Amino acid sequence: EVQLVESGGGLVQPGGSLRLSCAASGFTFSNYGMNWVRQAPGKGLEWVSHISGSGGPIYYADFVKGRFTISRDNARKSLSLQMNSLRDEDTALYFCVRGTMDYWGQGTLVNVSS
Amino acid sequence: QAGLTQPPSVSQGLRQTATLTCTGNHNNVGNQGAAWLQQHQGLPPKLLSDRSNNRPSGISERFSTSRSGNTASLTITGLQPEDEADYYCSAWDSDLTVWMFGGGTKLTVL
Repeated sequence: EVQLVESGGGLVQPGGSLRLSCAASGFTFSNYGMNWVRQAPGKGLEWVSHISGSGGPIYYADFVKGRFTISRDNARKSLSLQMNSLRDEDTALYFCVRGTMDYWGQGTLVNVSS
Repeated sequence: QAGLTQPPSVSQGLRQTATLTCTGNHNNVGNQGAAWLQQHQGLPPKLLSDRSNNRPSGISERFSTSRSGNTASLTITGLQPEDEADYYCSAWDSDLTVWMFGGGTKLTVL
């Protein structure tokens, strides 16, 4: 059974940093690209970043370029998102999503507030 | 980055048929196809159909998808109360190299 479990969310002040992690199981992790997708409270889905199975290429949404960094550790079956210079508008539930959006984690909540 | 276009809401009667649409352009929906996701309140999205119009195991045959040009469609037959949810389409844009989502359609079963 495919499982994706996010962690690392929390309350952070504007300008602060946070690192999200996603533990994957139930499939050959290195064979799949992975994504981070977020959903602000009461809003729709918004794609954040993608990393291929081998670790490259990497793509970002314009609104996170230069602030967020996606990475993966295939040996540990782990996906990460380093988020710097956080803004109020980054407040959202962040989902770890496999490949072409076929499996989703439960999400981890990031709250950027002073 | 403009997203894909979905109607904000659709309402249809119990046991009726609802068709939801998703419009993009030749770089995303028209070229790569669109995946469809269902999201119930408080839960993560669930894949209903991939970009090749294939349903994952366990998804009811009442859900079917198609594409014509730059518009993808999700048709739900025999509407049930549990079909009330938000529905999103998603497509890879080969020109912008980004994943796109529609704004979502809230389906109400009357």
